[in-house]
Amino acid sequence: DAKTTQPPSMDCAEGRAANLPCNHSTISGNEYVYWYRQIHSQGPQYIIHGLKNNETNEMASLIITEDRKSSTLILPHATLRDTAVYYCISKPWGGNTGTASKLTFGTGTRLQVTL
Amino acid sequence: KAGVTQTPRYLIKTRGQQVTLSCSPISGHRSVSWYQQTPGQGLQFLFEYFSETQRNKGNFPGRFSGRQFSNSRSEMNVSTLELGDSALYLCASSTNTEAFFGQGTRLTVV
Repeated sequence: DAKTTQPPSMDCAEGRAANLPCNHSTISGNEYVYWYRQIHSQGPQYIIHGLKNNETNEMASLIITEDRKSSTLILPHATLRDTAVYYCISKPWGGNTGTASKLTFGTGTRLQVTL
Repeated sequence: KAGVTQTPRYLIKTRGQQVTLSCSPISGHRSVSWYQQTPGQGLQFLFEYFSETQRNKGNFPGRFSGRQFSNSRSEMNVSTLELGDSALYLCASSTNTEAFFGQGTRLTVV
């Protein structure tokens, strides 16, 4: 799996958009970009994933650059409950009988949302 | 729909002992994977099971082992415990798209 690089920490004011960058310059053509987050002392939580198109769900938006070498996770209106460590992971698709597991976690970005 | 259930939540063991941790995946999920999380090494992949077969294994010594049963429930075992095995052990069950993690078992080796 390709290595990803994220800033170690970021701050965001509550109610503002949080934009978390990720660099994955060695990503392969068959690798997806996944985002998970881990709130203190809990198991990681899936947020979103994408291949090359921008994606949006109820939690966040994922913007992937055209060359796929980097991406940005956007939390449109951050709340205090979004304070967590956010992990960007690149990995191949699990396939029809495969799985989304065997995730290679880096050190992530510690997002602190403040009042 | 129940989530991923890990038991026990907390465990204290003595060096040299062995321990077995249990994970019940989300109903219908056939894939279960295990991770170790420590302050120094972060989240590291241990192994993955699919339909009772180990599909992938991380870079851990042979003291770490696991298995999966026909109902997809999984157990992992650590023998001859060392102080460095103190960690949060996380289990995840997954679809093709996303992995769902349990709350973990916090193991303390004294």
